[in-house]
Amino acid sequence: GEDVEQSLFLSVREGDSSVINCTYTDSSSTYLYWYKQEPGAGLQLLTYIFSNMDMKQDQRLTVLLNKKDKHLSLRIADTQTGDSAIYFCAVLGPGGYNKLIFGAGTRLAVHP
Amino acid sequence: DGGITQSPKYLFRKEGQNVTLSCEQNLNHDAMYWYRQDPGQGLRLIYYSQIVNDFQKGDIAEGYSVSREKKESFPLTVTSAQKNPTAFYLCASSRDRAGTGELFFGEGSRLTVL
Repeated sequence: GEDVEQSLFLSVREGDSSVINCTYTDSSSTYLYWYKQEPGAGLQLLTYIFSNMDMKQDQRLTVLLNKKDKHLSLRIADTQTGDSAIYFCAVLGPGGYNKLIFGAGTRLAVHP
Repeated sequence: DGGITQSPKYLFRKEGQNVTLSCEQNLNHDAMYWYRQDPGQGLRLIYYSQIVNDFQKGDIAEGYSVSREKKESFPLTVTSAQKNPTAFYLCASSRDRAGTGELFFGEGSRLTVL
């Protein structure tokens, strides 16, 4: 079945850029997502990209999609301590409903 | 404000007991979902419901049951048959039944089996 993989941890200095990477197996996924989870809370949709796009920018967030390599990345510019959270990559699975396949999440730690 | 409310936030259960987690939404969304989150793993889908009085098993439904008698409510029962129930449970809803993937999540319920 579909598999989504992410590295589990990333540590960056405040003000630097963060890049969180994700690989997936199902090339037919039409939508790909980044969700953010703050400690002890549910997930919030950060951004998403359609499979026919290569890049999407939204303020400090840039999403890059390489369909050939099945690689999705999220870049956060000027990372702040408030960006410390777990970031989940997700892809829309088959089946005609909102079945999202989630990665394990990347814990981003921002230090001064 | 519209949103999804899960209760309780923390719950302790003895082995062999059933427990029901509540999920209520006032977003007027048709579809609702239950996910389980374990450390170092992605969210796994337990059950989902696309419409009132209808629900389907997700990837890890064994040991769980749900009902969808009202549009705004989708309670999850963790039964004694669930072998490893200690986890963080997340309820979500979506305005579309199919395809856009934008889910709205509750704050979660952490279940610990003693």
